[in-house]
Amino acid sequence: EVQLQESGPGLVKPSQSLSLTCSVTGYSITSNYWGWIRKFPGNKMEWMGYISYSGSTSYNPSLKSRISITRDTSKNQFFLQLNSVTTEDTATYYCARGPGYPSYYFDYWGQGVMVTVSS
Amino acid sequence: QITLTQQAESLWISPGERVSITCRASQSLLYTDGKHYLSWYQQRPGQTTKALIYHASVRTDGVPTRFIGSGSGTEFTLSIEHVQPEDFAIYYCLQTLKSPYTFGAGTKLELK
Repeated sequence: EVQLQESGPGLVKPSQSLSLTCSVTGYSITSNYWGWIRKFPGNKMEWMGYISYSGSTSYNPSLKSRISITRDTSKNQFFLQLNSVTTEDTATYYCARGPGYPSYYFDYWGQGVMVTVSS
Repeated sequence: QITLTQQAESLWISPGERVSITCRASQSLLYTDGKHYLSWYQQRPGQTTKALIYHASVRTDGVPTRFIGSGSGTEFTLSIEHVQPEDFAIYYCLQTLKSPYTFGAGTKLELK
């Protein structure tokens, strides 16, 4: 069974970087696509970006140059780094598999990790 | 970017009733392969997010048949027949036709 688990600090100071890890079991991240999604207080959801089976990336332009998604295939993990965070980045962060061929949807999700940006 | 509108923030229903959640896209979600790139998700507290429907009407593995996705072009509906207690949750639509992928605002099913 495919399982994803997010991990990382729950509290980040403004202007610092947010770094999260998604550990995947039951499936290799060298196949399919692997994304980050966040849910803000008030329930708005935002797709942040993905890293593909080949290591290519795609990001939401709303995050401009603040975001980076990387991976470690030896550990079957992929990572989110979001720079220069503000209180508006307070959210629950999810990693998910997808959206890849042929179905183009997110079929497996992690439980999510709540991150608060506060001094 | 494509905007998805879920007009109902909350819907109050009783178990056993039928409910429909609508999602309207700012442009057609039909691709040249004849499929709509619209999926539906369920979020319940303490549970992982569950994908219910993809390509607008295809149920994912293990999803009960009471969940029905329909629609085309820019108008889509998730219907739940004979709502069960475990169906009280937040439901989101998502388009993956064009990047950036975008979600609807979510519709919360609440117990009447």
